[in-house]
Amino acid sequence: SQELEQSPQSLIVQEGKNLTINCTSSKTLYGLYWYKQKYGEGLIFLMMLQKGGEEKSHEKITAKLDEKKQQSSLHITASQPSHAGIYLCGADGEDTGRRALTFGSGTRLQVQP
Amino acid sequence: ETGVTQTPRHLVMGMTNKKSLKCEQHLGHNAMYWYKQSAKKPLELMFVYSLEERVENNSVPSRFSPECPNSSHLFLHLHTLQPEDSALYLCASSQDRTGGTGELFFGEGSRLTVL
Repeated sequence: SQELEQSPQSLIVQEGKNLTINCTSSKTLYGLYWYKQKYGEGLIFLMMLQKGGEEKSHEKITAKLDEKKQQSSLHITASQPSHAGIYLCGADGEDTGRRALTFGSGTRLQVQP
Repeated sequence: ETGVTQTPRHLVMGMTNKKSLKCEQHLGHNAMYWYKQSAKKPLELMFVYSLEERVENNSVPSRFSPECPNSSHLFLHLHTLQPEDSALYLCASSQDRTGGTGELFFGEGSRLTVL
């Protein structure tokens, strides 16, 4: 079955610092999705990447897809306390005929003022 | 009104109880999902209803029973649960399309505690 491994599992940064979260798939990536979750709440969609080499940005968050490495990275520039939360990557799951997303375990981000 | 609404937000039940979780989507989507989120584990897909077809994770115990009466409503019926079933249950919806799942829209979740 497809697995998504995220690193690091948790991260504490000072406000204003940059950070990167990685997501590596055990199988071919057809579509890679990034979500953010506040503890105990639902997931908020950030962005979706589909093509190798694709890069998307929204405000201070940039995501890239390396299709050959079956990997995606999420980069936050000049982090703020509002960026704190759990970041999850998801991918179209081959196991469900790409009818649902498979998710990683998440990266818990804390931003210290 | 949010796009995907889940009720109740919190539920405490004994192992012999029968309860149901409800999900309603107001986005005009044609696919709905149940995911389970346990501490320190990846989100686990439980069930998908897409174009009236059901896809399920074969590892989900039969004490969980889904029902999708129409494209806007999704239920998860619970009976004789175990303490390890305590988790956050997330409902999501999407517009089913060829070539991939597309963006999932999630509800706020139902926090279930089984005593």
